[in-house]
Amino acid sequence: DAKTTQPTSMDCAEGRAANLPCNHSTISGNEYVYWYRQIHSQGPQYIIHGLKNNETNEMASLIITEDRKSSTLILPHATLRDTAVYYCIVKGDDKIIFGKGTRLHILP
Amino acid sequence: DTAVSQTPKYLVTQMGNDKSIKCEQNLGHDTMYWYKQDSKKFLKIMFSYNNKELIINETVPNRFSPKSPDKAHLNLHINSLELGDSAVYFCASSLWTGTPHEQYFGPGTRLTVT
Repeated sequence: DAKTTQPTSMDCAEGRAANLPCNHSTISGNEYVYWYRQIHSQGPQYIIHGLKNNETNEMASLIITEDRKSSTLILPHATLRDTAVYYCIVKGDDKIIFGKGTRLHILP
Repeated sequence: DTAVSQTPKYLVTQMGNDKSIKCEQNLGHDTMYWYKQDSKKFLKIMFSYNNKELIINETVPNRFSPKSPDKAHLNLHINSLELGDSAVYFCASSLWTGTPHEQYFGPGTRLTVT
């Protein structure tokens, strides 16, 4: 599976959009981009995934560049409950390989 | 209505003991997994089962033995516990193996070996 690079931490003001970047320059054609998050010590929570096209669901939007070498997770209106570690994962088979993720702090 | 449940939530035991962690999912999924999260917060997959058949077996000591009595359950049995086994263990499930199916995680079991 391709490796991903994310910033270690980010801050975002409550109510603003949180934009979390991820680089995955070695992604191959059949690999999907997934985002999960882990709030405190809870189990990871699936957020969204995509292959080529941008995706949106009730939690977030996923913007994937045309060359697929990077992506951005957008939380449109961040709340304090969005404070968590966010993992960007590139996955081609059954295994999820978690990196260090981005620790997102939502500031009141 | 918990989708993926684990018992117990906390487990404190002494070195050398044998213990089990149970996992159940009520989502009707075919595939289940065990992950370990160590003190540095790295999450690593240990095993996955698809319809009671072992699919993934990462480099895990053979003191760890998963058992799947049916596709809704995947239990983890650990023999001769060591200090380094202290971690949070997460169970997960997905519709079936492979992409693009997302995984649903349980709340975790915090194992402390003294």
